Amino acid sequence: QLQLQESGPGLVKPSETLSLTCTVSGGSISSYSYYWGWIRQPPGKGLEWIGSISYSGSTYYNPSLKSRVTISVDTSKNQFSLQLSSVTAADTAVYFCTVRGGCSGGNCSRARLWGQGTLVTVSS
Amino acid sequence: QTVVTQEPSFSVSPGGTVTLTCGLTSGSVSTTFYPSWYQQTPGQAPRTLIYSTNTRSSGVPDRFSGSILGNKAALTITGAQADDESDYYCLLYMSSGIWVFGGGTKLTVL
Repeated sequence: QLQLQESGPGLVKPSETLSLTCTVSGGSISSYSYYWGWIRQPPGKGLEWIGSISYSGSTYYNPSLKSRVTISVDTSKNQFSLQLSSVTAADTAVYFCTVRGGCSGGNCSRARLWGQGTLVTVSS
Repeated sequence: QTVVTQEPSFSVSPGGTVTLTCGLTSGSVSTTFYPSWYQQTPGQAPRTLIYSTNTRSSGVPDRFSGSILGNKAALTITGAQADDESDYYCLLYMSSGIWVFGGGTKLTVL
């Protein structure tokens, strides 16, 4: 049973880079044809898809964040990571790591699994 | 830019049936948008209810069902219970690997 756990600083200064890691347990990140990604939720607001990385290393990013986002995988540590540069107060949010199955022909191979989330506050 | 639309709020009586919808400001939702639905209570991570339009996630009661109704994706809750009072979000696949959430529906059971 796959499980996801986010980790990283809870406070980041404006203009700096937010860096979070998601540790995968219950299976090897390299053994699944899955898509590993990040979603965030500002306090009191809705969910926003940030981006994902496929099992083959292809990356997909929210167009509104694309210039500042990097998602990568470290198979040796069974982790994947999010980096968001030049942060502002608007980037204050709970960040969730997720995994989903591949999708084709109207069907996805598995439901999206969520980590518990981690709050990141951008403030000086 | 196409926006994913959801009802901001909805109310249902205990035991009643409610259908929440997920549409587009331009165009129709079909199975190729791989609509999925998520339930979230305050302070908790979202829980996947439905994916691939109508497939229930493991452990989700069968009173939750997904479908395409007209030009929208729909989540129907049959026999609503008090603990169904939550925020519900839909997520659609747009193209080129990009996914977009709806703004969410706050469901009240009273």
